[in-house]
Amino acid sequence: EADIYQTPRYLVIGTGKKITLECSQTMGHDKMYWYQQDPGMELHLIHYSYGVNSTEKGDLSSESTVSRIRTEHFPLTLESARPSHTSQYLCASSQGAGTGELFFGEGSRLTVL
Amino acid sequence: AQSVTQLGSHVSVSEGALVLLRCNYSSSVPPYLFWYVQYPNQGLQLLLKYTTGATLVKGINGFEAEFKKSETSFHLTKPSAHMSDAAEYFCAVSLNTGFQKLVFGTGTRLLVSP
Repeated sequence: EADIYQTPRYLVIGTGKKITLECSQTMGHDKMYWYQQDPGMELHLIHYSYGVNSTEKGDLSSESTVSRIRTEHFPLTLESARPSHTSQYLCASSQGAGTGELFFGEGSRLTVL
Repeated sequence: AQSVTQLGSHVSVSEGALVLLRCNYSSSVPPYLFWYVQYPNQGLQLLLKYTTGATLVKGINGFEAEFKKSETSFHLTKPSAHMSDAAEYFCAVSLNTGFQKLVFGTGTRLLVSP
């Protein structure tokens, strides 16, 4: 049973607001990821982390930022939300180098008005 | 660069019918291949994966997929669809390296009618 949690599940906010999407995992995984998912489109990797104090940008350019101060926590922040940021954001984690299996949270659906 | 193509954004079957969801990949080196399923308002869950060894891979819920290198394909099948199989299915590929940087396809929505 995967134990990775995202909050909030749904968020509707106005343009210009600062938001943080939380992601926590209790599996002790060293690698964590943020994907952006739009309807009918593939999931795009926007951030990933090898471990504490490690963050990298993914394949899709994003105005969001991430931090990894603790192994279990990988929050994503938007300093000033815009309607173009409206999307679903999925957090995932994985362990080790072999299996390639990612464990996903249930997602945070963000709507910016 | 690696990529994944899923043919058909929607596939409709009747309950009890064969399910076939198509996935083709492009990769310059032998890849790892995955199928994930996403139920409404949930995250993605791993169905099955191919890394090395046997090319016919069995997963959860009666699904299986066959890695065909000559066709660069990894199609997902299930002999008999169930209503509970209705979901979005994503094929994904990663290189055989230590970091699971998956590249996903656009997904196929499976619709199952009674």
